[in-house]
Parts: sequence; C-alpha cells; structure tokens
Amino acid sequence: GESVGLHLPTLSVQEGDNSIINCAYSNSASDYFIWYKQESGKGPQFIIDIRSNMDKRQGQRVTVLLNKTVKHLSLQIAATQPGDSAVYFCAERETSGSRLTFGEGTQLTVNP
Amino acid sequence: SAVISQKPSRDICQRGTSLTIQCQVDSQVTMMFWYRQQPGQSLTLIATANQGSEATYESGFVIDKFPISRPNLTFSTLTVSNMSPEDSSIYLCSVAGGISYGYTFGSGTRLTVV
Repeated sequence: GESVGLHLPTLSVQEGDNSIINCAYSNSASDYFIWYKQESGKGPQFIIDIRSNMDKRQGQRVTVLLNKTVKHLSLQIAATQPGDSAVYFCAERETSGSRLTFGEGTQLTVNP
Repeated sequence: SAVISQKPSRDICQRGTSLTIQCQVDSQVTMMFWYRQQPGQSLTLIATANQGSEATYESGFVIDKFPISRPNLTFSTLTVSNMSPEDSSIYLCSVAGGISYGYTFGSGTRLTVV
C-alpha cells in the first residue's frame, strides 16, 4: 500500500538553532498533510497542516513546506527550544478517504 | 479543537483476558478512529468506528480480536480480546469532523500484557 516515510529517525540540535524535519510520501492522491508532535506518555498533538493546493504554510515558530513534484514534506521549527524535544510525525490523507497514514517519526532532541 | 477523554490511561492485564478502552468526546464528531502504537514505532490504524454501522477494519486487524462499538456521535469503545504479550502497545482514539477542524487524538491507553 501507500506509505509515508521519513529521511532521518533522529535529529539533535542546539537550543536556539532552527530545526528541519523531513518526510517523503508516495501517494500522489493525498490532498491533506499534518504534522504532529508526540511527547513521552502523551497522544499526538496537532502542530500544523497544509492542503495539497498550497506549497507553504506558517504558524507560530513553525513552517510546513510541501513539494508535490518530489512528494516531499518538511517541518521547520525556528529558534528550537528544549520544550520542542519530542517525536514528530507527518501524516497524509488520501483524497478518496478520510483516514490518516503516518510516517515513521523523527526523534528531535534539543540540547541546552 | 475537540477534547477527548480516553480511559483507562494504562493497565496491566493477564494474557487471555480482554480489556475495553473507552473514548468520550466533548462534542459530536463524524469520524472516530482507533490506532495502535507499538513501542518506539509509529501509529497504525486499526479501524474506523462508524456510528450506526459496523466498524471498518484495516488489513491485519479483525473484528473478533478488536471489536468496536460506536453507539452515538460522542462515544466509542475498543476491546482488545484474548490478549497476548504481543498486544502490549499504546492504543489511541482519534476524531475528525464536528465543530473542530483536523484530526485530534486522545492521550492514549498504555497496555501491558503479562
């Protein structure tokens, strides 16, 4: 079946640096993408989303970029803080369905 | 966004027994989903809980093992039946539609089978 995957399983950054988390997807029919943050012992928390008719969307300290040509999604976190340490998942939704398919996740560690 | 209450938050169960997990939402939602997250891994969809009809299961998951109820638009249960240690996972409820936008997750149920 279709899958969503990540390039890097772990990412370590210094506090104050910018972080970039990448995600590759294979379903060209996907119309909606979400980034989630999951802290230990908690459920996934919505960060930001983007529809397939957009290539960039900005939130507070976060930006999501979508490149449909190469089926690539990225999450940029500006001025990364220790509280940003968590596992980050990308998820896609197929146009014809309502369920989400999740990527493998990236563990982000922010060093003080 | 919708607020989800998932119970229990964790449990330790004997093999061969069953556990029912509850998911209560503070508003009516169209879609409810149940996911499994094995230790250190991503989320895998078990089934979509449909109100007024049987749940739709993903490949590799069957109703006899994971029976689901969806009696109304704010509540669903997932039962993990005849448990074995391989069922030790986090089970997560998710909702979409209704007054909130996007897909929201509960805090999960951490299940350990011994």
